[in-house]
Amino acid sequence: GIQVEQSPPDLILQEGANSTLRCNFSDSVNNLQWFHQNPWGQLINLFYIPSGTKQNGRLSATTVATERYSLLYISSSQTTDSGVYFCAVMNAGNMLTFGGGTRLMVKP
Amino acid sequence: EPEVTQTPSHQVTQMGQEVILRCVPISNHLYFYWYRQILGQKVEFLVSFYNNEISEKSEIFDDQFSVERPDGSNFTLKIRSTKLEDSAMYFCASSVTKDTQYFGPGTRLTVL
Repeated sequence: GIQVEQSPPDLILQEGANSTLRCNFSDSVNNLQWFHQNPWGQLINLFYIPSGTKQNGRLSATTVATERYSLLYISSSQTTDSGVYFCAVMNAGNMLTFGGGTRLMVKP
Repeated sequence: EPEVTQTPSHQVTQMGQEVILRCVPISNHLYFYWYRQILGQKVEFLVSFYNNEISEKSEIFDDQFSVERPDGSNFTLKIRSTKLEDSAMYFCASSVTKDTQYFGPGTRLTVL
């Protein structure tokens, strides 16, 4: 099956800093989503982005499908951005395959 | 904004007991899913459901698991005889087509 690797596994930032999270996948995809898992365990949709670039406030994402990677940018980070960020892809059927996540801690 | 809901939020059960986890997908969605996340690990796909039948399932989804859409709004996951290793967070998700999947808040299952 498709492999999804996320980096870095852990990230500690000072409030106000910017960061880039990376997701590499091993095959072509027809769906890619970014999620934020908050401290209560909820999976919050951030982006549906199988290709191209999208922005939502301080967050933006870019997927380069031909090179099999996606990037999530967080600007001016806040303590509420803390949690785990997951990338998930779909390449056949309709199951999402998740990466291992990036655990982000933003310090005040 | 419509959202996926799940009940209960936390279920504690004894090993060997049957549990039913309940989900109400977003009302106009046609595809329904169950995923699980063992504590500290990645989220794993269990099963997808479309047009009143299973469309895809993973190796995890063995004979002790079953899904059902008993009426027009609920979608359930049954575990017939729970094991210690079934302890996890179980997420329900739904989608209109094979695009954005929206996840519920999860049910934390603890098997003692």
